[in-house]
Amino acid sequence: QVQLVQSGAEVKKPGASVKVSCKASGYTFTNYGISWVRQAPGQGLEWMGWISAYNGKTKYGQNFEGRVTMTTDTSTGTAYMELRSLRSDDTAVYYCAREDFDDSGSDYWGQGTLVTVSS
Amino acid sequence: DIVMTQTPLSSPVTLGQPASISCRSSQSLVHSDGDTYLSWLQKRPGQPPRLLIYKISNRFSGVPDRFSGSGAGTDFTLKISRVEAEDVGVYYCMQSSHFPLTFGGGTKVEIK
Repeated sequence: QVQLVQSGAEVKKPGASVKVSCKASGYTFTNYGISWVRQAPGQGLEWMGWISAYNGKTKYGQNFEGRVTMTTDTSTGTAYMELRSLRSDDTAVYYCAREDFDDSGSDYWGQGTLVTVSS
Repeated sequence: DIVMTQTPLSSPVTLGQPASISCRSSQSLVHSDGDTYLSWLQKRPGQPPRLLIYKISNRFSGVPDRFSGSGAGTDFTLKISRVEAEDVGVYYCMQSSHFPLTFGGGTKVEIK
């Protein structure tokens, strides 16, 4: 069965960076992409960007361009999202999702990683 | 960016009664390949989003048939034929026809 397992909760200070991992299993990793989505407390879902696990091509949301880097390690089937220059309003639960642009879209989701930014 | 507008913001429903959520996009979601990549997701507190419907009307694996999707172009609807207690949560429409992917603001379904 398809599973995406994310790394654990993080607490960071303003200005720091965080790197969240998303380990995929149950499917051929390079046949799909990975989207990253976040949800701040009391807010809706916000798309951060996408990476192709096939060739590493990325698309980032405008709100994150220059501050986020998404990568994959095809040898381990793991995707990573690094967010730099953290601010308090980056406090959110971060999700990875398998992305099937040809059919079912964001079909399988990781369990979420809480990132808290606080001085 | 494509703006996704959902109505209503909140939908109090009696158990066993239907619920309907609308989603309107600021421009057509028809992709150059002819398909329309409009999805509906369910978000329960403390849980990750769950895909219910993709490409307007296709139920994802394991989704009960009381959930259905319809629409075309810029106007879409999610219907729950008979609301059950486990359906409580926030529902989001999402478009993946064009970058950046965008979500509606969410509709909270709660029991009266």
